[in-house]
Amino acid sequence: GAVVSQHPSWVICKSGTSVKIECRSLDFQATTMFWYRQFPKQSLMLMATSNEGSKATYEQGVEKDKFLINHASLTLSTLTVTSAHPEDSSFYICSAREGQQSSPLHFGNGTRLTVT
Amino acid sequence: LAKTTQPISMDSYEGQEVNITCSHNNIATNDYITWYQQFPSQGPRFIIQGYKTKVTNEVASLFIPADRKSSTLSLPRVSLSDTAVYYCLVGGGTGGFKTIFGAGTRLFVKA
Repeated sequence: GAVVSQHPSWVICKSGTSVKIECRSLDFQATTMFWYRQFPKQSLMLMATSNEGSKATYEQGVEKDKFLINHASLTLSTLTVTSAHPEDSSFYICSAREGQQSSPLHFGNGTRLTVT
Repeated sequence: LAKTTQPISMDSYEGQEVNITCSHNNIATNDYITWYQQFPSQGPRFIIQGYKTKVTNEVASLFIPADRKSSTLSLPRVSLSDTAVYYCLVGGGTGGFKTIFGAGTRLFVKA
């Protein structure tokens, strides 16, 4: 089946530094990928929709200059958390859809970000 | 986007059948209903998807009434490893391309 690989699985960084998270569709092409953030005991919150070859679409309340998204190819999207602060510590998850709009999403295994 | 409502939590025992119902009153004509399972510190995993009536696969069944305003995920003979959060999502048709998660149902299976 379709596989989405997310890297790294966990990262610890110091406040003020930037962190890049990669999301790859391993065996299919994904023109659109989604980035979510999840806090403990809460549901996934959609941050942005990543479109190959164009700018990402951010959800209301998500700072586009802080969460930089690049979708450089049909199999890779990256999320960069810039100037990270402790409140950015969270579980970040990406997903991609194979095929048509009604197809189910395939999710990466998430990245646990801890900002000290 | 169609909003979904599920019970916050459910308890069950090993070997029982578990039914989780999701309400989606404003589902759009072409929307599909998809269920995902999530374990702690992992990404959600696809369980089943349907449009109407009944769908069955190797792990679950999905029952959708004619008005499609609700759906029921049925897990036969649950085990301890089925303890997870289950999300019902509606979309993919005219309701929208992006996927918005509701609160989900936290299922706890006891021995």
